[in-house]
Amino acid sequence: QSVLTQPPSVSGAPGQRVTISCAGSTSNIGTGYDVHWYQQLPGAAPKLLISGNIHRPSGVPDRFSGSRSGTSASLAITGLQAEDGADYYCQSYDSSLSAVVFGGGTKLTVL
Amino acid sequence: QVTLRESGPALVKPTQTLTLTCTLSGFSLTTSGMCVSWIRQPPGKALEWLARIDGDDDKYYSTSLKTRLTISKDTSKNQVVLTMTNMDPVDTATYYCARHYDDSSPYFDYWGQGTQVTVSS
Repeated sequence: QSVLTQPPSVSGAPGQRVTISCAGSTSNIGTGYDVHWYQQLPGAAPKLLISGNIHRPSGVPDRFSGSRSGTSASLAITGLQAEDGADYYCQSYDSSLSAVVFGGGTKLTVL
Repeated sequence: QVTLRESGPALVKPTQTLTLTCTLSGFSLTTSGMCVSWIRQPPGKALEWLARIDGDDDKYYSTSLKTRLTISKDTSKNQVVLTMTNMDPVDTATYYCARHYDDSSPYFDYWGQGTQVTVSS
């Protein structure tokens, strides 16, 4: 059971917009700890997609955007492309555990 | 160019101790605020943070695994080492090392390719 809760799967057709939610609590996201997002392609290491809730590292398309509100965060992907099919993970810090915490991951299927 | 490379045994027996090495390139733990963490991922499952070491040699561990983990660094070799004692089949996973800065909620900007570890007799 992950500290941060994500939907196991989401799907969308090419060109569509999808969002992935990340639900936390008052000991992590709700306290104000930043949320980060990673993309993991099959057989590969995770890749940083969004840092500090909203910031895209160099090279990440602006089709990807992040937001945070209250005890949750979201990743939005617009103009879905086949290559976006991957697992996505949110990550933050939990003060009760004194540890970095990850979501359970969401598998994005591009139909 | 920043890279991290994990190395270690692919197979360990139950109760044995696992030792993994992360070799850093393109950066150093002596840089102010630099840190390295170990993260693992069982097959088909989520990522799990294990341990962290800072350039000041401060160390932090997952509460659930704290008694089994030791993280250390060899600055001269630019390496970070993780040992995990009393290995069990549930510890079968891909183990990653990743770079981050000292922050209240750090993010991992560079990852190694991962090393797969199977625990089986």
